[in-house]
Amino acid sequence: RKEVEQDPGPFNVPEGATVAFNCTYSNSASQSFFWYRQDCRKEPKLLMSVYSSGNEDGRFTAQLNRASQYISLLIRDSKLSDSATYLCVVERGGSYIPTFGRGTSLIVHP
Amino acid sequence: NAGVTQTPKFQVLKTGQSMTLQCAQDMNHEYMSWYRQDPGMGLRLIHYSVGAGITDQGEVPNGYNVSRSTTEDFPLRLLSAAPSQTSVYFCASSYSRDNKNIQYFGAGTRLSVL
Repeated sequence: RKEVEQDPGPFNVPEGATVAFNCTYSNSASQSFFWYRQDCRKEPKLLMSVYSSGNEDGRFTAQLNRASQYISLLIRDSKLSDSATYLCVVERGGSYIPTFGRGTSLIVHP
Repeated sequence: NAGVTQTPKFQVLKTGQSMTLQCAQDMNHEYMSWYRQDPGMGLRLIHYSVGAGITDQGEVPNGYNVSRSTTEDFPLRLLSAAPSQTSVYFCASSYSRDNKNIQYFGAGTRLSVL
């Protein structure tokens, strides 16, 4: 089993839709969780960290479920500009080394 | 604000050639790392450094060397290029905040080995 798994998609949604992605991780010692966004042929950029109690940043909501070992990203009122690949990142406690998922592709169409 | 600067942006090599990918950051970050990204494989860690003079291997270190003589610079050397090293290479620097390492990436180097 891969350490971090994501559905590669693509998720094809109309503007204004709500879409959610999940990411599962296998190492129960994982302590830090993130979502990064990567546009086509560009570098990844931090979208948001994921906190134990869940957190929201505008139209984006991230949740952590430690019991089932997954994190989620919810995007409300999708915009064309949200089209990108969303990377799940997990970091073990006490370790610098982050592990990246392969990413989930989102395409928002008019 | 430059952030993380990678050079070159594109490179074509012949099998067996050597070259160095440059990476520099101006944010005084302790941590720096090199990743390669291949289609369907995601980002894989090649080497990383937790400070000047300290480097360690990541998931896919074979065929690559690194050094960290200063906080700012973290070059990646391909010793004898092979077609399997055709990839997009990203350098990143990071800092720790609330026990979380926030990564900042360079724009990438697209390498083709013929």
